[in-house]
Order: sequence, then C-alpha cells, then structure tokens
Amino acid sequence: AQKVTQAQTEISVVEKEDVTLDCVYETRDTTYYLFWYKQPPSGELVFLIRRNSFDEQNEISGRYSWNFQKSTSSFNFTITASQVVDSAVYFCALSEARSQAGTALIFGKGTTLSVSS
Amino acid sequence: EAGVTQSPTHLIKTRGQQATLRCSPISGHTSVYWYQQALGLGLQFLLWYDEGEERNRGNFPPRFSGRQFPNYSSELNVNALELEDSALYLCASSLYPPGNTIYFGEGSWLTVV
Repeated sequence: AQKVTQAQTEISVVEKEDVTLDCVYETRDTTYYLFWYKQPPSGELVFLIRRNSFDEQNEISGRYSWNFQKSTSSFNFTITASQVVDSAVYFCALSEARSQAGTALIFGKGTTLSVSS
Repeated sequence: EAGVTQSPTHLIKTRGQQATLRCSPISGHTSVYWYQQALGLGLQFLLWYDEGEERNRGNFPPRFSGRQFPNYSSELNVNALELEDSALYLCASSLYPPGNTIYFGEGSWLTVV
C-alpha cells in the first residue's frame, strides 16, 4: 500500500538557519511520482516540485533543494537560510503510475515550519 | 494564465442543509480532484473526475457527491451536513493521467453550525 510519512510534526528555527524536512514513502509500484507542496496560512497548496521515480538527480531552486534517495525511500526538502516567509505547512505527496485506478495523490500529514526573526 | 479557481471562499451552513462548492480547473486540464482538509485529519482524497466521469472516490459517505461539466468545471455537493463536515475543501486539476503535476485552488472554507 502507498504511504507517506512526515515524522516531523513541527519545526521551529530562527531566520537564516538551514532546515531539512523529512519525507519517507512506501510504494510497490516501480513508477511513481513525488511532490512537495507548501501551504501558507491562506490555505492554498502551492506546488514546489515534482520528481519521477527514474530521476534521482537532486534539484536546487534558489534556497530550496531536494534530495531523492530510492535506496532509503526518502525525498527530503532543505531550505537554506530560512526566512520568515517560509513559515507554512509543507506536505510531501506520492502518486503511483497505476493511480488511474487509485487515488491521485497520497499526502503525508505535513510539517509545520515556523521561522522567527 | 488563470489557476484553479474555487467558489465560494467561505460558506456557513446549518446542520442538515446542503452545501455546493464550485471549481474551475486550469485551462486544458481534464482531471479535477476534491480533497477535504479537516482540522487534525490532514488532506483526505474525496473525488476524482476526468472527462465528465467519476474515476475514483475516497472513503467518504454517499452524501458527498459531485459532477464534472462539459467545460471540465466541477461542483462538490455535500448533503445532510454534519458538524464534522466543517473543513477546508480543496479543488485541484491536472492533465490526465495522474502523475502529472496537480495544481490546487485556494479552497473553500465550509463551516457547519
């Protein structure tokens, strides 16, 4: 069965600290997709990144970087030099290729990041 | 280009009433999804529509229903509202099949009193 675990419920950091949000997934499918979304207090889920199971290359986008490791079934998200505007709930999600018959996205329970000035 | 739009932003209903929430997907997207985000319960998958057909539904009672129109917009109906239906309802859209990036709207806050 597919499952996404975000073990960190809440993280608090001070501005300019680096922070890593952990995501561990379970799937029996060989083709799957992993996502990260950000949910600010307004409620909208903002898409951050999509990665397919055949692409283990890490990605960097500005202060954001993602580390995908199939060997440990992890897709971790690091924010470098955090800012107050990064305060939000971050969700990791999984979609299986055979999801044509299943749910579209399975979400982890989210990690609430609070960045103080 | 417009993103996923939802209406209304906020809705207050009385227990036992019906609520209707509406969603317009991103232009070109044929798949529409509905998720419920209740306090403390995370994001729960409700319904998935594509090309006007219901493709799958989550573990919700039949009083949660919806439809997708020929222009791919969608509405979610919740009948016989219960207090625990109070939640943020998020609509999302994507190209078919799943695996493509799913984009979310700002959500509709439903409060049942």
